[in-house]
Amino acid sequence: DARVTQTPRHKVTEMGQEVTMRCQPILGHNTVFWYRQTMMQGLELLAYFRNRAPLDDSGMPKDRFSAEMPDATLATLKIQPSEPRDSAVYFCASGLSGGVYGYTFGSGTRLTVV
Amino acid sequence: DQQVKQNSPSLSVQEGRISILNCDYTNSMFDYFLWYKKYPAEGPTFLISISSIKDKNEDGRFTVFLNKSAKHLSLHIVPSQPGDSAVYFCAASHDSGNTPLVFGKGTRLSVIA
Repeated sequence: DARVTQTPRHKVTEMGQEVTMRCQPILGHNTVFWYRQTMMQGLELLAYFRNRAPLDDSGMPKDRFSAEMPDATLATLKIQPSEPRDSAVYFCASGLSGGVYGYTFGSGTRLTVV
Repeated sequence: DQQVKQNSPSLSVQEGRISILNCDYTNSMFDYFLWYKKYPAEGPTFLISISSIKDKNEDGRFTVFLNKSAKHLSLHIVPSQPGDSAVYFCAASHDSGNTPLVFGKGTRLSVIA
């Protein structure tokens, strides 16, 4: 089964540290999303790419978050510096444009900032 | 302002009975709707979808109904099984699925044996 791979699965870090989350989308998928899940907000979109080009990152706090796709097999989400309010589960998803079959999500990175 | 709303945080149903999960949306530009299922410590998995040109789509035990005039959709699971216990997310997009999905906050379904 093709799957979206996210690393690490869990991350505990101290406030102020840099955090990098990685995502390997499914081969051939041209659209990649980063979502964050919190109890209060549910699943909220942070950023997305199509054909590696960033299309929308308006959901991210610009001063501390950055998302990139250095190549078609890797998407990264960085937080610098991290804050306790960033604690959440971060999901990457990939799919094809016009996702009539939905998008495939990874298992997520559970981030805890202490 | 939440564009996709799932007003019931939780639902309990007996095994074998029908589960009905509801979802409302406010953005009339949405033209594609999906349901995802999520188990603990896993990512959401796609369950079923419906285009705005239809009012019903069925896949095995799962049926999604869309009422465009009421901006309401529902997911019916018949018969419900204990393995269906999960959090169900309603999602919507426009431009025939070319835009990112907007999710509701989810409904936790518990199917009791």
